[in-house]
Order: sequence, then structure tokens, then C-alpha cells
Amino acid sequence: DVKVTQSSRYLVKRTGEKVFLECVQDMDHENMFWYRQDPGLGLRLIYFSYDVKMKEKGDIPEGYSVSREKKERFSLILESASTNQTSMYLCASRPRDRGGYTFGSGTRLTVV
Amino acid sequence: GENVEQHPSTLSVQEGDSAVIKCTYSDSASNYFPWYKQELGKRPQLIIDIRSNVGEKKDQRIAVTLNKTAKHFSLHITETQPEDSAVYFCAASNPLGGYNKLIFGAGTRLAVHP
Repeated sequence: DVKVTQSSRYLVKRTGEKVFLECVQDMDHENMFWYRQDPGLGLRLIYFSYDVKMKEKGDIPEGYSVSREKKERFSLILESASTNQTSMYLCASRPRDRGGYTFGSGTRLTVV
Repeated sequence: GENVEQHPSTLSVQEGDSAVIKCTYSDSASNYFPWYKQELGKRPQLIIDIRSNVGEKKDQRIAVTLNKTAKHFSLHITETQPEDSAVYFCAASNPLGGYNKLIFGAGTRLAVHP
């Protein structure tokens, strides 16, 4: 019963490309989040959204943007991919005001 | 903003021993502290959480304790088994102005040896 779905498991892109990472949740959660996961650094918050069309910067937003046109979908955009954006990207959602996150399976992005 | 520190970064125990992972947080307004387990190649999964109005919570072999005064919380796993081997992340959430976003520790890689 997968509830948070990330469109790609593995992705290889070239430097300078515009990259879209998609995340869809079917739990009607208000809050959605994008994290990147790097060894020794844990999970770092890139952007989050608390409602449709609303977004807030996390701790490392530089080089990224997001889009939330529908409640169930939260997209992460790399405007011009760079090699230092090679990472595992995790999407998560949670209902407003309660409970922990439900994570997607992750997208391992390699920028060459 | 909130900062969460987690120790140790790696932990190796023998099957049947106990394992303890400790985290400290910086923002005294944080009120929700979940723990996630991430097995190799899989997504992080919530294993236990605690709110700031509770000092301890237990679920079978795992327990979490919270010391609000010292701003630290710990995960305790008793009678460890090889399937407990994974990376464990602690996190803290501050509801004030942060929309309940979680700030994670750097993770602890636990290895349980048969």
C-alpha cells in the first residue's frame, strides 16, 4: 500500500539540464517536503509546502525550486543541474498538526 | 533555527545486547521527537515517537526517553537482533512558525552481529 510515490527511482542527468522530480501522495496530507540525503549529513530540508501553491524554503534551497499546483503533487525542480546536486532525494508528507512523516522510496539522482 | 545532533555515528553490538542512540536539540520550543529506521535501499520508516508532555514511551523492544530540561532524547533497543541493523535517524519538530517541519540528526548506522 504505497502512499507516497516518487516518479523515478534512478535518474542520470547532464550538467546544466533542467530536472524535474515528482512526488505524489494519496493520503490527502496538507504538508509535503523535499529532503536530500547524503552520507554523514543525514536528511536536509530543501523546500516544503503547507498548502496548494504555498511553499517555504528549507535549510538548503539554493539551486532548487518547487511547485505545488495540486494538493497531492509536489515537484522539485533543479533549474540547472550541477554535479554537487548528485544525491538521494526523498519526498515526504504529513497531515497538518499531527504525526510523523510518510516517506517516498527516494530518487537517486546522478549529475554527470 | 533548530539543530539536532546525534551520537554515535556508528554502533556495533552483539546480538542480544542493548543499543542506545542519543540526540540533543537546540530549540526549547520543539515538542515532537520521532525516530526513523532506514534499512539499506529502503525509505525511512517511523518506528517510535514521543511528545514533550511525556518522559518515556515504550513499544516492545524499543523505547524512547526525553529530558526536556537537558534538551536530549534517546532511543533504546533491547535484545537486539540482526534485523535491527539499519541507519536510525532522530528528529525534532517545532510547531512555531515552522509548519511542523522535522529537522533530522545525521544518523546512526547500527550493526548487530550474530
